[in-house]
Amino acid sequence: DTGVSQNPRHKITKRGQNVTFRCDPISEHNRLYWYRQTLGQGPEFLTYFQNEAQLEKSRLLSDRFSAERPKGSFSTLEIQRTEQGDSAMYLCASSERFGYGYTFGSGTRLTVV
Amino acid sequence: AQKVTQAQTEISVVEKEDVTLDCVYETRDTTYYLFWYKQPPSGELVFLIRRNSFDEQNEISGRYSWNFQKSTSSFNFTITASQVVDSAVYFCALSELSGGSYIPTFGRGTSLIVHP
Repeated sequence: DTGVSQNPRHKITKRGQNVTFRCDPISEHNRLYWYRQTLGQGPEFLTYFQNEAQLEKSRLLSDRFSAERPKGSFSTLEIQRTEQGDSAMYLCASSERFGYGYTFGSGTRLTVV
Repeated sequence: AQKVTQAQTEISVVEKEDVTLDCVYETRDTTYYLFWYKQPPSGELVFLIRRNSFDEQNEISGRYSWNFQKSTSSFNFTITASQVVDSAVYFCALSELSGGSYIPTFGRGTSLIVHP
């Protein structure tokens, strides 16, 4: 068990470009969450998967954002036509059961220039 | 309205002092879960404790203790004899049923600075 892995750790992109992040959860965890964290704020919920099904999406997840979890294993979060306001830390977490401890990855820090 | 309120933005103490981080939550559910996470300067969120709404027993783990009071909707966290390594941002989170799933909502965090 190597914990939750996120790649890349850092991403700098030009405004208008598309970016994709990957999250590999703990293997036996069937629940996966994406959060966004900006400086000085707590993590804000973006979306949630149970196995391969995307069950919840926040209003924060505009139509430029899409997330997938094919086969219920790793997940990807794509942002199209990035804007400067998308600059943040994108965190992934997984859990075995609802209400149990959520294990977070180290995050992907996105900077849009 | 914030579901999880951490009114203390920043707390500064000297090593060996005791410090309490406040967390007040808001929910209409009878079943919910509360958490505390630590985020050191390295950035990774570290799980500290989980509490379900039916278990009001206070918990102690080494220098850490938690006081859960449903009557005041609070879940406070105390560090006894603080150390420099305790310096971090601490987040309280509430997990309640939302559309059939339990989704954690985080407070804005309290930055704890422990001076030597």
